[in-house]
Order: sequence, then structure tokens, then C-alpha cells
Amino acid sequence: EAGVAQSPRYKIIEKRQSVAFWCNPISGHATLYWYQQILGQGPKLLIQFQNNGVVDDSQLPKDRFSAERLKGVDSTLKIQPAKLEDSAVYLCASSLDAWDTYGYTFGSGTRLTVV
Amino acid sequence: AQSVTQLGSHVSVSEGALVLLRCNYSSSVPPYLFWYVQYPNQGLQLLLKYTSAATLVKGINGFEAEFKKSETSFHLTKPSAHMSDAAEYFCAVSARTDKLIFGTGTRLQVFP
Repeated sequence: EAGVAQSPRYKIIEKRQSVAFWCNPISGHATLYWYQQILGQGPKLLIQFQNNGVVDDSQLPKDRFSAERLKGVDSTLKIQPAKLEDSAVYLCASSLDAWDTYGYTFGSGTRLTVV
Repeated sequence: AQSVTQLGSHVSVSEGALVLLRCNYSSSVPPYLFWYVQYPNQGLQLLLKYTSAATLVKGINGFEAEFKKSETSFHLTKPSAHMSDAAEYFCAVSARTDKLIFGTGTRLQVFP
């Protein structure tokens, strides 16, 4: 089966600019996650979708970050405006459902550099 | 609430030596525990998982981990390191129906 696809792989922007990341999960996976991985740290969950509804966005900085999952398939994560501390790798993962912690599949991530 | 602590941000071993990466967890409910590996510029790959069955869990690439409830530990081991094992390793915990909580990672270096 195809894996989790993410694009772009790399992005460099200036602070205060906006940026968007795209994720296409594995076909049939109802749950989609966005994680932020800052250099030297473990991944931190930003938002979890179950189909097209938000399950957990408690750690999403909502003043600048937004995410959507239209039609319960693809998802986009947006940052507007970006800050220097947003420099990180943004990982998308999917699983069959919210209780399928056996089967998270991660994408290769998008490395964001804010200058 | 759940959390994991990985002891040692960097571990260096010689090729052929024992690999031991330490992970201690905290969980208010019986946990699920995981080890993931991340190679440079790649996503996370599941090495192994503990889901309340056998306490000694065998994973891919010769790695295994033992769940010790009395010590709240889930250390990752491999009897003989290979150069290709050099990577970042993450321990993670889940409260079964909840999200994965990751540790800060341990970078493994393998010297010839």
C-alpha cells in the first residue's frame, strides 16, 4: 500500500510570511495527525482528526496555526504569520481509527525553516 | 496523564557491541508503549510495541524491549550493533485510546 504523502519536503520562508503543508493519508485511514518536531525534541501532537472532525487540537497555537481535513481525506496545515520558533519538521501520520495505536504510519515530513 | 523519559540524548557503541537505550514511563492507566526509529530526513518507523501481552517484545532489525511494570521501564536492546543502526530512537506511550506521547529521543552512534 502507498504510504503517507507529504509536500513540500522543504520550505524556507521569512518570518511573518504564511506557509501551508499538505498531507495525503493512507487510503481508508480515518484518523489523521499533525505532529511538530523541533530539532532535538520528540514529536508533539498539534491536531488530530477523525474523518473530517477535530478530536484534539489542545496544543495547536490557534492564533497562527490552522488545519483542515476536507471530505475526511487530504489535510492541510497552515501557519500565518510564521515566527522563528516555528522552524521544525511537520510530520503527518494516519491510522485506521483513533484506537488503532498499533498502526500509526508517518510521512517523511516537511522541514520548515523560518528566517 | 502520560509521559516518557529517555535517559541519555546520545549513546555511542562500537559495531558488534550491545545496544541499550533507556526509557521510563509514567501513566495513570495501563499503557501501550512503543519504540520508533528515525533515519535522517525520514519519517518515524515503528520498531516494536507493547500492548499488554508478552512483556518481552521482539521487533524489527533484531531489536527487543522488555516491559517492567515495577520499574516503569521499557528499555530497548540489541545484542550486536550494526553500522546501519545509527539513527534517532524515540520511546512513546499511549493510554490505549489516546494519542502518542513521545520522549525527547536518543541519538545512537555506531563506530567501526
